[in-house]
Amino acid sequence: EAQVTQNPRYLITVTGKKLTVTCSQNMNHEYMSWYRQDPGLGLRQIYYSMNVEVTDKGDVPEGYKVSRKEKRNFPLILESPSPNQTSLYFCASSLTDRGRTDTQYFGPGTRLTVL
Amino acid sequence: ILNVEQSPQSLHVQEGDSTNFTCSFPSSNFYALHWYRWETAKSPEALFVMTLNGDEKKKGRISATLNTKEGYSYLYIKGSQPEDSATYLCAFSGGDMRFGAGTRLTVKP
Repeated sequence: EAQVTQNPRYLITVTGKKLTVTCSQNMNHEYMSWYRQDPGLGLRQIYYSMNVEVTDKGDVPEGYKVSRKEKRNFPLILESPSPNQTSLYFCASSLTDRGRTDTQYFGPGTRLTVL
Repeated sequence: ILNVEQSPQSLHVQEGDSTNFTCSFPSSNFYALHWYRWETAKSPEALFVMTLNGDEKKKGRISATLNTKEGYSYLYIKGSQPEDSATYLCAFSGGDMRFGAGTRLTVKP
């Protein structure tokens, strides 16, 4: 089954404790991205990757890091989480072209709470 | 319009009603307009991708239209059912991808 998976689905942590949210897709997509969703706001892009070893900042990259060592995986790293990073996070992938005209496939979401 | 705006923010209708909502977006540097359906606790799922002015797409009881010159798209649901209850997101694809905040639809039996 074609899918995007994220882990964990739920996470409660404390300020400053490094964490990683994993994202994996099995569709051989080149383009992957991370979004955060906050009440009253649209999905906002954190980082995206056009292909292996090619990543770039989205609209709200501060406090986040990513890596793309393999085509299927695109982990999101919070080196020192803060309460303002409490949010619902989605990973997404599309075949090519930054998802401009391709459909993006979303993971199930990770609800992160930073105390 | 610099951002993507959706209206209304929320909508409550009775089963069987037809409804529509709006997505407004920048009319310059346009690549595509996407509509997604997002049920609570699930992933957003793609409904339509529209690229040409005047595009009309249909999937069952749901359809969408696109006007790139004036920067808006309409999503229509004919004969709403309780299972249509979800948040409907639009995303404007230009130099980057920008999402609206969504329209939350509740269909009462």
